[in-house]
Amino acid sequence: NAGVTQTPKFRVLKTGQSMTLLCAQDMNHEYMYWYRQDPGMGLRLIHYSVGEGTTAKGEVPDGYNVSRLKKQNFLLGLESAAPSQTSVYFCASSPRAGASTDTQYFGPGTRLTVL
Amino acid sequence: TQLLEQSPQFLSIQEGENLTVYCNSSSVFSSLQWYRQEPGEGPVLLVTVVTGGEVKKLKRLTFQFGDARKDSSLHITAAQPGDTGLYLCAAPPPGTYKYIFGTGTRLKVLA
Repeated sequence: NAGVTQTPKFRVLKTGQSMTLLCAQDMNHEYMYWYRQDPGMGLRLIHYSVGEGTTAKGEVPDGYNVSRLKKQNFLLGLESAAPSQTSVYFCASSPRAGASTDTQYFGPGTRLTVL
Repeated sequence: TQLLEQSPQFLSIQEGENLTVYCNSSSVFSSLQWYRQEPGEGPVLLVTVVTGGEVKKLKRLTFQFGDARKDSSLHITAAQPGDTGLYLCAAPPPGTYKYIFGTGTRLKVLA
């Protein structure tokens, strides 16, 4: 099993450009999450999904959109990138629905710089 | 807004020393998790605590959940350079299927 994979690993964008980050998991997990990590601020939840075809907003959803067309994939889109979106983005997945003690499995991260 | 505050923010110690890091909140949680993150990688779960007062041990790491389920501590005995990393606590706000994360404690253990 590859676990949780993210592409790309690094990306540099200019202000106003758009891009999509792809997260894939091969563990048949129901839940998937997108976080951003900034120095001194821990991990902040952007959007999450409780199953195929569903999405919900997290703490910091503005400027991002997501889609979960297939159970194994969770896409994060930036329509018009801003320097404030420079960050490291992590995707995570967890197995069952509704169990707060579930383990979240994280991908290796995508380092995004917006100039 | 429910927050998880971690202290200290940074900690640099010599190999063999003991240390304790804390995760505090004004909210009550049904469970709390501790993760460790190494540079260039995603966080990895160390432990989940679910019962007030619960103590769990993972080799030299001891985790405790506060009696009121508002706080938690992580104690490392005889720290080693391999313990170096960012330690994060995380908990699900009541009635939700998502997690909030603390700001993290960055630990460096010097050989």
